[in-house]
Amino acid sequence: SYELTQPPSVSVSPGQTARITCSGDALPKQYAYWYQQKPGQAPVLVIYKDSERPSGIPERFSGSSSGTTVTLTISGVQAEDEADYYCQSADSSGTYRRVFGGGTKLTVL
Amino acid sequence: EVQLVESGGGLVQPGRSLRLSCAASGFTFDDYAMHWVRQAPGKGLEWVSGISWNSGSIGYADSVKGRFTISRDNAKNSLYLQMNSLRAEDTALYYCANLDFGAFDIWGQGTMVTVSS
Repeated sequence: SYELTQPPSVSVSPGQTARITCSGDALPKQYAYWYQQKPGQAPVLVIYKDSERPSGIPERFSGSSSGTTVTLTISGVQAEDEADYYCQSADSSGTYRRVFGGGTKLTVL
Repeated sequence: EVQLVESGGGLVQPGRSLRLSCAASGFTFDDYAMHWVRQAPGKGLEWVSGISWNSGSIGYADSVKGRFTISRDNAKNSLYLQMNSLRAEDTALYYCANLDFGAFDIWGQGTMVTVSS
């Protein structure tokens, strides 16, 4: 089955830039999406179609894609950005299926 | 207000069945594909199943295929997940979400399913 791979954790100091990667063989052909989840809350979409930002999401959140890897970048990290982040994409096998990465815990030091 | 509200979770014994429901409001339900996503305690998100707006396309994760059935009733603005032959590893918080531009845009708050004897 198709898999997306994320690092388990990323740590940055406030004001620095955090980069969270997601790798998958189908990413050159399928868009990636990013979700932020804080404890006890439902996930929130922060990036769609690799690099588009939904309304209401701060400009410090951005996304990019290169080959089989997509990256979520958070510039000028704030304490409130501490959360779990998940990438998501579609299974490229033609079935009506979706897949999530294992998630990355962002710690703001 | 745009909203998804899940219900139907609870404690169930292994091998038994449970039916989850998701009630939509505040948006045109039959414009969107709908999906179920689950999260085991302390674990990550896992896609479970999805259904297109007209029920013409359906998909399941390998972990639930043959045991779970997704359906929808557009007249009632509702999504369902029939879960049979439940296992301990199905214990999770089950979210419903709509699919917009390929993304899970609106999420409910989830309904907890615990499979235990």
